[in-house]
Formats: sequence, structure tokens, C-alpha cells
Amino acid sequence: GDSVTQMEGPVTLSEEAFLTINCTYTATGYPSLFWYVQYPGEGLQLLLKATKADDKGSNKGFEATYRKETTSFHLEKGSVQVSDSAVYFCAPYSGGSNYKLTFGKGTLLTVNP
Amino acid sequence: NAGVTQTPKFRILKIGQSMTLQCTQDMNHNYMYWYRQDPGMGLKLIYYSVGAGITDKGEVPNGYNVSRSTTEDFPLRLELAAPSQTSVYFCASSLGSSGRAGDTQYFGPGTRLTVL
Repeated sequence: GDSVTQMEGPVTLSEEAFLTINCTYTATGYPSLFWYVQYPGEGLQLLLKATKADDKGSNKGFEATYRKETTSFHLEKGSVQVSDSAVYFCAPYSGGSNYKLTFGKGTLLTVNP
Repeated sequence: NAGVTQTPKFRILKIGQSMTLQCTQDMNHNYMYWYRQDPGMGLKLIYYSVGAGITDKGEVPNGYNVSRSTTEDFPLRLELAAPSQTSVYFCASSLGSSGRAGDTQYFGPGTRLTVL
């Protein structure tokens, strides 16, 4: 089955710093790749996705590029804000009849003013 | 659209008690899921459903039951609560179509359950 390895947290940055959260995956075929974000006290919400190799997903200043050759989907943001403090989850999806996502353990990001 | 709603938000149970966690979605999604989130452990799939009347086990189904009598509702039942079931429970739904656009999952706000 699918599996994912995420950079271990917690990650603490100052406002306007550059962010990278590493994610590598194993999956069958050509999975879709997702980043979900969980703000304090809330459920998960989709941050961005990419559905094929070399695609770049982007949203709210975050970007991630689908790298099939390295099976990676690293999340980046050029200048983080305090409001970006959250837990970030990487998740591959290989398709099939049950549409089950496989989530990483999550990376806690704290951004200080 | 309210999206995915869950009730209650918080609950404390005693060992051996039973309860039902409610989940409703108003997006006409075919697929629904129950996850539990333990600290530092990510999300584990408990049960899922691909449509009304059809349910299947996920990774950690022991101690739980589900039913799906309508497209909108997917309740999760704990029959004999145990301390190991202390967790945050999330319900999610997705369109579940054959196209890639259907695979995004939408999550409810969660239920924080403590078993003492």
C-alpha cells in the first residue's frame, strides 16, 4: 500500500522566513499528491494538490512540485506569516475503488512574530 | 453549504459506556470516512463508505461500528468505550468520481473524545 514520510517537526521559524517541509512517498502507479493543513482546533483542509508528474500545486503562497523521479512532494513558501502556524500533512492517493488517502504523521509549524 | 458537520464537539465517557458520533454532509458526496487522530500519529482510517448501504473497514476498525442509511449521514458507534479510544475523531467526505477532481476529501471540525 501507499506510504509517506514527512519531515519531523516541530519546525519553528520567524516571520518572513523561508519554509520547506519535505515529503517522500511510495505508491503504486501515478498517484495524486496532496498537502492538507490543520489550523489549531480545526479539521483538515486541502492546501494544494498535484495530479501528474512535474505539476506544481499552489495556494496561499505555498507551492509543491510533483517529482516522480525522486518520489517527492516538498512543500515550500517564500515568506511565512504567523497565521501559517498549523500542522501540515502530506498524502498520496493511488486511486482505486475506495479513494483512501494515506496521511503522513504531520509537521507542526510555529511562526513567531 | 455547511460542508461536513460533526456533533458533539467534546465528550467525556466512562469505561464501558456507549455513544454515537454524528456526521452529516450536504455536498451530495458518495464517499465518507471516519478517522481518528492521536497526538503525533497522524490520521488513521477507521471505516469508510462508498455509498448508502455500503461500508468497509479501514486500518483500525476494532471497537467501532458504522452505518450508512442515507447519502448525507455516516454515524460512528462506540459500543464499549475503552481508554484506548481517547482521541480526536474526524469525519470526511469526497465526491468519489472516477476523475481526479473527485478525490479531494473535505473534513469536519472533529469530535474530541475522552474515555476515563
